[in-house]
Amino acid sequence: EVQLLESGGGLVQPGGSLRLSCAASGFTFSTYAMNWVRQAPGKGLEWVAAITSGGIAYYADSVKGRFTISRDTSNNTLYLQMDSLRAEDTAVYYCVGSRVADYWGQGSQVTVSS
Amino acid sequence: DVVMTQSPLSLPVTLGQPTSISCRSSQSLVHTDGNTYLNWFHQRPGQSPRRLIYKVSKRDSGVPDRFSGSGSGTDFTLKISRVEAEDVGVYYCMQGTHWPLWTFGQGTKVEIK
Repeated sequence: EVQLLESGGGLVQPGGSLRLSCAASGFTFSTYAMNWVRQAPGKGLEWVAAITSGGIAYYADSVKGRFTISRDTSNNTLYLQMDSLRAEDTAVYYCVGSRVADYWGQGSQVTVSS
Repeated sequence: DVVMTQSPLSLPVTLGQPTSISCRSSQSLVHTDGNTYLNWFHQRPGQSPRRLIYKVSKRDSGVPDRFSGSGSGTDFTLKISRVEAEDVGVYYCMQGTHWPLWTFGQGTKVEIK
């Protein structure tokens, strides 16, 4: 059974940092592109970042220069380092597997507020 | 970026009746490999999105056959042949053709009349 388990969310002040983790199991993580998608309260879905199986990273303009996506193939884990956080980054962050969004995690809440 | 436009954004439905949601893209979703990577998702409150349909018309495992997807190029439709109570929630279309720059429709909220 495929599982994506996010962790690391929480409450942080504007300008602060958080690192999200996504532990993957049940599929060959090393061969899959991975993504982060977020959903602000009461809003729709927004793609945030992606990383190829080879480690090439891509970012939405809204987070470029502030967020860093990475992966640890030895531990089957995806990361999202979030720096210089803003109130508008408040959202549930989903870890999503593959280029066609086959697999979704349960989400991790990130709240940016003073 | 590819803009995905859904309609309607709110959809009151009657149990047992058919209904449909439209999704239009600002660019063709035909990939250079010949496939069209258009997905449909269903999201209930407090839950993650669940993919129902991929590549326009292919149902995911466990998805009831009352759900069907159709369309081509820039114009796509999700149909529910007979709405059941468990179908309430928000439906999103998503293009994966231009990965990594995924884009989603605004969402259509389905509720029972």
